Amino acid sequence: AQSVTQLDSQVPVFEEAPVELRCNYSSSVSVYLFWYVQYPNQGLQLLLKYLSGSTLVKGINGFEAEFNKSQTSFHLRKPSVHISDTAEYFCAVTPGGFNKFYFGSGTKLNVKP
Amino acid sequence: SAVISQKPSRDICQRGTSLTIQCQVDSQVTMMFWYRQQPGQSLTLIATANQGSEATYESGFVIDKFPISRPNLTFSTLTVSNMSPEDSSIYLCSVGRDPGELFFGEGSRLTVL
Repeated sequence: AQSVTQLDSQVPVFEEAPVELRCNYSSSVSVYLFWYVQYPNQGLQLLLKYLSGSTLVKGINGFEAEFNKSQTSFHLRKPSVHISDTAEYFCAVTPGGFNKFYFGSGTKLNVKP
Repeated sequence: SAVISQKPSRDICQRGTSLTIQCQVDSQVTMMFWYRQQPGQSLTLIATANQGSEATYESGFVIDKFPISRPNLTFSTLTVSNMSPEDSSIYLCSVGRDPGELFFGEGSRLTVL
């Protein structure tokens, strides 16, 4: 079975500071990994995904994530955040294809001026 | 990408009643999914809506409570039956497109009094 853990439910940060949102997963098989963002009163939008290849993945809005197989992690980073990055971020895994996604509980990023 | 429209965007309902949520996609898709997003919790897959066959439900979800229709490749409905306050949640329609990627509607926020 698969599971996803996002240890931080809320992350406050000042504008232009760097941020890292943590994601760990457990799975008995190889997985695809994703980060989604949800702005207030909107649906989820894909930020980035890891399917194979380079373990450092770059996404939209300046975000990147690194897949670490030995630590079963897929942490999301941004070197300098903006007020507009305030949203909830979800890490997700799927064991293959797109029929079953397992989501973390989400991390609310609050960027303060 | 895929554009997904959900109706209603929000509703307030009385205990014991039923509500049907509609999901319209701008192009044909094989698989559509219904998720529930409860406050402070992960997104949870309710069922996979398959065109031409019965929906496939995840553990903990049953057809009598969450009947699903999938009359064609661009449309699906989810009904929440005999509602209780515990059903208050955001219900999300999603579709799979590129390998390992889900697209989401904006969700239907349901409050049961």
